Amino acid sequence: GAGVSQSPRYKVAKRGQDVALRCDPISGHVSLFWYQQALGQGPEFLTYFQNEAQLDKSGLPSDRFFAERPEGSVSTLKIQRTQQEDSAVYLCASSSYINEQFFGPGTRLTVL
Amino acid sequence: EDQVTQSPEALRLQEGESSSLNCSYTVSGLRGLFWYRQDPGKGPEFLFTLYSAGEEKEKERLKATLTKKESFLHITAPKPEDSATYLCAVQAAGGATNKLIFGTGTLLAVQP
Repeated sequence: GAGVSQSPRYKVAKRGQDVALRCDPISGHVSLFWYQQALGQGPEFLTYFQNEAQLDKSGLPSDRFFAERPEGSVSTLKIQRTQQEDSAVYLCASSSYINEQFFGPGTRLTVL
Repeated sequence: EDQVTQSPEALRLQEGESSSLNCSYTVSGLRGLFWYRQDPGKGPEFLFTLYSAGEEKEKERLKATLTKKESFLHITAPKPEDSATYLCAVQAAGGATNKLIFGTGTLLAVQP
């Protein structure tokens, strides 16, 4: 299918390790979003790209979180020195100029 | 502060027993209200977008309605396969981002 894909689907990290999560948006979608979803909660906004420009990073919880989309397509969310509170599902979504955002399956991060 | 509240938190129905889920919102200016369905271990699946009070949209057994303060997701004669978490989200007008602000969801269980 031509949906949003994310990898890896599951990631286990030891506290203090760095992790990188990848998102492949729907081809041609200019907007890309990252959300964090804790167990039993709704997704919470982290950051937003329009093409390669990061227009909003107000939801990133600390300076350990960094996102990039260098060529306006694939995006990577990097978390440095992971902490237990970083354990969550990280969702990526993309959209065209129409408002609807289409989500990937998410990456479940567990920090031990 | 923009906010979304969903009720009930959980709902158990018998197959064929119609009901409604509520989404109350406060937002500085509404660009759009979105309904998503989320199955365990998967990303949210887009259902509807509503833009203005009085608007209604239907898809199979689901109908979404919108007023100035809340939205309802009506489920008519549900089937077990409708069991999922239903998420409501709003998008505020203005600003550089199209981020979604989600509620915590309603967990629906439909028993045969």
